[in-house]
Amino acid sequence: NAGVTQTPKFRILKIGQSMTLQCTQDMNHNYMYWYRQDPGMGLKLIYYSVGAGITDKGEVPNGYNVSRSTTEDFPLRLELAAPSQTSVYFCAADQGMNTEAFFGQGTRLTVV
Amino acid sequence: LAKTTQPISMDSYEGQEVNITCSHNNIATNDYITWYQQFPSQGPRFIIQGYKTKVTNEVASLFIPADRKSSTLSLPRVSLSDTAVYYCLVGDPASGNKLVFGAGTILRVKS
Repeated sequence: NAGVTQTPKFRILKIGQSMTLQCTQDMNHNYMYWYRQDPGMGLKLIYYSVGAGITDKGEVPNGYNVSRSTTEDFPLRLELAAPSQTSVYFCAADQGMNTEAFFGQGTRLTVV
Repeated sequence: LAKTTQPISMDSYEGQEVNITCSHNNIATNDYITWYQQFPSQGPRFIIQGYKTKVTNEVASLFIPADRKSSTLSLPRVSLSDTAVYYCLVGDPASGNKLVFGAGTILRVKS
């Protein structure tokens, strides 16, 4: 049972480039989340989804987009990368409020 | 909005018991209290969850007073490997199903 898998693990982008961070889960959990974590800081919620076809903004959604076409996948899209988006990105999945959330290993993104 | 307040950091020595308290004055009736642990360069990991009184598992204990306005995570006999950031979360009905983290408590265990 793989849990939550994120790819890639590391990526360097140039300013203005775009990329998609992949997140997939095999636990059949309806709820999925994307976070960013800057050095020495806590996790900030970017977007979340309560089920296939449903997404909503979190605390820091600007500069990002998401889609949820299937229960398993929740990709995060950066359209015009900026240095301020240099961070570690974590994807998570759970069965709803007050249930245990499972996190991926993270994607370390550097924008130069 | 339900919000949590934790100490920014704590220091301890190997073998000691560590208690981290979290304040959540606006906790809703149906909310559970959940604690996560995060090591450097890793995603958070679930430690323990409770609703009231006391919960214990192989890793930690969670103490919740009757008014549920605070909770205490207790780590028995910590080791160097318990050095991590610990997050306290409560459900936030106003935010729907968001899973929102606060700043957490940095625990440093020294030898």
